Amino acid sequence: EPEVTQTPSHQVTQMGQEVILRCVPISNHLYFYWYRQILGQKVEFLVSFYNNEISEKSEIFDDQFSVERPDGSNFTLKIRSTKLEDSAMYFCASTPALAGEQYFGPGTRLTVT
Amino acid sequence: AQKVTQAQTEISVVEKEDVTLDCVYETRDTTYYLFWYKQPPSGELVFLIRRNSFDEQNEISGRYSWNFQKSTSSFNFTITASQVVDSAVYFCAYDSGTYKYIFGTGTRLKVLA
Repeated sequence: EPEVTQTPSHQVTQMGQEVILRCVPISNHLYFYWYRQILGQKVEFLVSFYNNEISEKSEIFDDQFSVERPDGSNFTLKIRSTKLEDSAMYFCASTPALAGEQYFGPGTRLTVT
Repeated sequence: AQKVTQAQTEISVVEKEDVTLDCVYETRDTTYYLFWYKQPPSGELVFLIRRNSFDEQNEISGRYSWNFQKSTSSFNFTITASQVVDSAVYFCAYDSGTYKYIFGTGTRLKVLA
């Protein structure tokens, strides 16, 4: 069964450093998402991406964040200058249709020290 | 704005007991979609069910059942004869067909042997 994959599973970085989180969505899916979950809290929407552009973004997704689909398979989230409060689990998701079931990847745990 | 409330932060039951997880949503949309996801201790988000606002039929899948009532804006989830493997955090989510999910805060279910 096709699945969303994410790398790395765990990333440790120092405050102020840039990180890139990588995702490979399911191949025939058209809509891509990033969510984050601070430890023990709810899952929060960051950004959605369709047709090579951002469809919607939350207030969390400020200028420090960017997303890209550099080729036909990868979908990346970049945080330019990480802060302590960026420490969280970051989930990538994809879906073939709007308002469809979103398939989530296993997540990348980002720890900023 | 839309909102999802899961008032039960944590529930503990003894194995084989039935348990109901509550989800209440607020919206002015006429078309929307509701979801339940399970997050086991391993951390991934596992899709359980999708419901659209026009379909109020209750659904049963094995030991799981869902009760959707538009009149009370609720989409409750019942596990019959709970098992230890059901221990997880369960999230209810809302999608109005715009490019994101809105998650509730989750209910942590502990099933004791």
